Amino acid sequence: DIEMTQSPASLSASVGDRVTITCRATPAINNYVAWFQQKPGKAPKSLIYAASTLESGVPSKFSGSGSGTDFTLTISSLQPEDFATYYCQQYYTYPPTFGPGTTVDIK
Amino acid sequence: QVQLVQSGAEVKRPGASVKVSCKASGYIFNRHAIHWVRQAPGQRLEWMGWINAGNGDTKYSQKFQDRVTISRDTSASTAYMELTSLRSEDTAVYFCARDWGWSYTSYYFDDWGQGTLVTVSS
Repeated sequence: DIEMTQSPASLSASVGDRVTITCRATPAINNYVAWFQQKPGKAPKSLIYAASTLESGVPSKFSGSGSGTDFTLTISSLQPEDFATYYCQQYYTYPPTFGPGTTVDIK
Repeated sequence: QVQLVQSGAEVKRPGASVKVSCKASGYIFNRHAIHWVRQAPGQRLEWMGWINAGNGDTKYSQKFQDRVTISRDTSASTAYMELTSLRSEDTAVYFCARDWGWSYTSYYFDDWGQGTLVTVSS
């Protein structure tokens, strides 16, 4: 199975901060990575697929980049509704696998 | 808009089985696969398997191969996930998710159900 790792495991940030989360895949997965946001007690919400394509309705403050093994999710200006856990997922090959998540909380 | 509505929380004894439903609306049910993903407390999301809603073909994670059955009722636009021989480690929230692919399985999940908590306890 493809292993997905994320860093950091958690981070504290302030409203208005720029935040970057990193995801690494082993082995390489081209650009077949998605990012999800999950709030406590809720279902994951898709933000980005194909490493950098925003899902419909997702604000442009979210952006993704990367290819191969290293990927990033960036939130350009953190807002109160963005405090959540973020997961990357590879869909390059069966079985699909997820990263362990990065929790973004309020500093 | 796409909606996936799951059945309610369940409490089961070890060794029992549970069947969770996922009713789809807002799109052509037969055109998109449905996946099941679970999340144990404090753990990452874990993929369990999928069903081709059109022809009923299934594929399961090796971890759950012997204990999980995914089915669907096209007349009700509903998918089901049954997990047998439950143990305490199966306590988790179970999600259904729609595959983004149109008439093929991409393994990218663009819409999710609200989740169903299954608690296994004696």
